[in-house]
Amino acid sequence: GAGVSQSPSNKVTEKGKDVELRCDPISGHTALYWYRQSLGQGLEFLIYFQGNSAPDKSGLPSDRFSAERTGGSVSTLTIQRTQQEDSAVYLCASSLSSGGRNEQFFGPGTRLTVL
Amino acid sequence: AQSVAQPEDQVNVAEGNPLTVKCTYSVSGNPYLFWYVQYPNRGLQFLLKYITGDNLVKGSYGFEAEFNKSQTSFHLKKPSALVSDSALYFCAVREDTGRRALTFGSGTRLQVQP
Repeated sequence: GAGVSQSPSNKVTEKGKDVELRCDPISGHTALYWYRQSLGQGLEFLIYFQGNSAPDKSGLPSDRFSAERTGGSVSTLTIQRTQQEDSAVYLCASSLSSGGRNEQFFGPGTRLTVL
Repeated sequence: AQSVAQPEDQVNVAEGNPLTVKCTYSVSGNPYLFWYVQYPNRGLQFLLKYITGDNLVKGSYGFEAEFNKSQTSFHLKKPSALVSDSALYFCAVREDTGRRALTFGSGTRLQVQP
C-alpha cells in the first residue's frame, strides 16, 4: 500500500513569507507526527495528533508555527513569517495509534529553504 | 525527560566485517527503543524495535540490536556489513507513558568500505 506522502518535496521561499507543508498519512493510521531535521542534526519533534484529541504542540519552536489535521487524515504545517533558521527538512510520520509500541512510518520530507 | 545519545558521528567498517552502532538512552519509566535508517534524500525507514521480552531483537536487512537495561544501551549490530548498508542511522526512544513522540539521537553515519 501507499506510504506517507508529503508535498511539496522542495520549497524555496523568501524571508517573511508564509509556507504550507502537506502530509498524507497511511490510510487507517490515527496518529500523525511532525518533526524537523536541520542540517547535521537529529530529528526535533514539533507536533503530534491522535484521532480527535487535542494535539500535543509542545515541540513547536514559536507561535509562527501551527498545524491542522482535517478529518483525521491530511495534515498541514504552516510557518508564518519564515526566518532563515526555519530552513530544514520537515518530516511527517504516522502510526497505527498513539501506543508507544507502534513504529512510526516516515514520509520523504519537505526540504524548506528560506532565503 | 527522555534523551538518546549516539556517541559516534561516523563508523567505518570494511565489507564483510561485523558492525556496531552505539546508542544509550535515558528515561524515567520503561523504554520503547527504535532504530531507523536514512538513505540520501530519503525519509527514515524503520529497522527494528524493542518493546518488551527478549533483549535481542532482530529486524530488517539482517540487523539486530541488544537491549541492556543495566547499561541503558541499545546498540545496533550486524554480523557482516554490506556496502549498501552505508547510510545514516538514528536511535530513538520514548517512555511507556508520557509524551507519544519519539526522541531521536543525533545520528551515526555508517560507511562500509569495499
